[in-house]
Amino acid sequence: GDSVTQMEGPVTLSEEAFLTINCTYTATGYPSLFWYVQYPGEGLQLLLKATKADDKGSNKGFEATYRKETTSFHLEKGSVQVSDSAVYFCALSGLGGFKTIFGAGTRLFVKA
Amino acid sequence: GAVVSQHPSWVICKSGTSVKIECRSLDFQATTMFWYRQFPKQSLMLMATSNEGSKATYEQGVEKDKFLINHASLTLSTLTVTSAHPEDSSFYICSARDEVAGGLSYEQYFGPGTRLTVT
Repeated sequence: GDSVTQMEGPVTLSEEAFLTINCTYTATGYPSLFWYVQYPGEGLQLLLKATKADDKGSNKGFEATYRKETTSFHLEKGSVQVSDSAVYFCALSGLGGFKTIFGAGTRLFVKA
Repeated sequence: GAVVSQHPSWVICKSGTSVKIECRSLDFQATTMFWYRQFPKQSLMLMATSNEGSKATYEQGVEKDKFLINHASLTLSTLTVTSAHPEDSSFYICSARDEVAGGLSYEQYFGPGTRLTVT
């Protein structure tokens, strides 16, 4: 079935380090891909999205490119800040209805 | 942007009682809302799809008599946890699509979540 696999955390980085969180997906069609972020005790917020192959989503210094050939949507940021500490979820939707399938989430800790 | 609210943000109840959680789309209409459950340090598990004016669609393994969903208007869905037990303690999150502004976009707007603790 359709699924999302993302790297296990936690990921611990120092401020200004480069961030990559890997995400791959399995889908029978052509989904839309998302990264959501969850800060402690809060709901999810959309971070960025891409709706078709080769699209690049970007927001707040984060970016991810929809790679159909490798079925991937890796999240990157060139210089993380302490305020980026959160849980990041890769997700897909658009395969029959509007249900969203989430990856397991990756917790990021950024140290000052 | 589209805003989804949930009420209450946290609730403590005694075992055997029922708890109602509200999910509202504040500035848009949603014929479909989604209810998720999240265990500590885990991902979101879709419980059910709430459909305005009709029955909810439950995911496999979710007890529909335990988790009652009512979507009575285009801006409100409620989840009632009936006869709650400690194992129902969890973080419950709802989401909705802005079906007008969003068109065919699959982007979801999430509520801030409700933390339920059953003692």
